Amino acid sequence: AQSVAQPEDQVNVAEGNPLTVKCTYSVSGNPYLFWYVQYPNRGLQFLLKYITGDNLVKGSYGFEAEFNKSQTSFHLKKPSALVSDSALYFCAVRDQYNDMRFGAGTRLTVKP
Amino acid sequence: EAQVTQNPRYLITVTGKKLTVTCSQNMNHEYMSWYRQDPGLGLRQIYYSMNVEVTDKGDVPEGYKVSRKEKRNFPLILESPSPNQTSLYFCASSPWDSNNEQFFGPGTRLTVL
Repeated sequence: AQSVAQPEDQVNVAEGNPLTVKCTYSVSGNPYLFWYVQYPNRGLQFLLKYITGDNLVKGSYGFEAEFNKSQTSFHLKKPSALVSDSALYFCAVRDQYNDMRFGAGTRLTVKP
Repeated sequence: EAQVTQNPRYLITVTGKKLTVTCSQNMNHEYMSWYRQDPGLGLRQIYYSMNVEVTDKGDVPEGYKVSRKEKRNFPLILESPSPNQTSLYFCASSPWDSNNEQFFGPGTRLTVL
């Protein structure tokens, strides 16, 4: 069975600094990898995905993620964090049979 | 506007009183799914549906039922709710192909006393 791990419950960064939210996965076959963001009292919003091709994918709000097959990782990054980026971030993996698994989530706090 | 809607958004009920949470999408998506979100556990899939009249269990289906009589609707039914079903519930939809992202509803916060 596939699985997703987000090793950090909480990530704190200062505004203007780069941020990284980590994600590792386990799946048989080719993975489809996703990042979602959840703001307070809202549903999840799609940020970006990796399907195939270039290992660096760019998404909404200046976020990007790097797919690393050898390390089975898909870390979310942003060069310069904003206070408004503070939210709960979920990594997810979906296989070709539509089995979808989410990580436990990482709470990102960006301090002014 | 493309969206997934859920009703009600908030519900407080008592043990054993049957309830239904509705979910509807206007994007003609084949795939629909229900999740529950609990602190420290992320989102866990309850049931999903690949198309009309096709449903299957997710990771935590016990105590829940679903139906998919129409493409746009995917209600979640709790026949006899219990306090351990107190949670935040999300409905989501996507096109059939598994390389597509899901669109999420706003969530339903359920409290079972």
